[in-house]
Amino acid sequence: QKEVEQDPGPLSVPEGAIVSLNCTYSNSAFQYFMWYRQYSRKGPELLMYTYSSGNKEDGRFTAQVDKSSKYISLFIRDSQPSDSATYLCAMTLGNQFYFGTGTSLTVIP
Amino acid sequence: SAVISQKPSRDICQRGTSLTIQCQVDSQVTMMFWYRQQPGQSLTLIATANQGSEATYESGFVIDKFPISRPNLTFSTLTVSNMSPEDSSIYLCSADRDLGEQFFGPGTRLTVL
Repeated sequence: QKEVEQDPGPLSVPEGAIVSLNCTYSNSAFQYFMWYRQYSRKGPELLMYTYSSGNKEDGRFTAQVDKSSKYISLFIRDSQPSDSATYLCAMTLGNQFYFGTGTSLTVIP
Repeated sequence: SAVISQKPSRDICQRGTSLTIQCQVDSQVTMMFWYRQQPGQSLTLIATANQGSEATYESGFVIDKFPISRPNLTFSTLTVSNMSPEDSSIYLCSADRDLGEQFFGPGTRLTVL
């Protein structure tokens, strides 16, 4: 079993839709949880960063962590074509980072 | 956040040659890492670049193939040695501040013929 599981998609939604991206993990000791956005031919860009259970909001983006279920989510409200990218979840244990495989998202105008 | 640059951004190389990728961070950072990302796949950690000592390699990666330097707290290089087509990939440098946030460079797209 992988440490971090993420549905690779691809996911295709119409502009304005609410997008839900999810990752599950197996190690309850993970400390920090992150979401990265990666545009085609670019490096991953840190989007959201949290360390506790609950929700963290930043503009149209909400990161949710449920440590009891070992589940994290990223919600994108009012999705835009510019949100089309691959979204990677990541989590840390000490200095080790564990990445999901990424979910490819396309927002159709 | 940290701004990270990488050189070259892309290269096409012949089998058997070596390529050195440079990574520059705009501020001092504690940790620097090198990753490989193959098409449609997630990031695979190659090694942690340690300042002033040898890099720490992950399983499946060895120093002879991927020598790494880190002469100071803002700069690192990764060399891909004796390349084969299987080394064709995107190579990413990243840096980690003390808070555990990891920032990535734009990547180097390597094609080996």
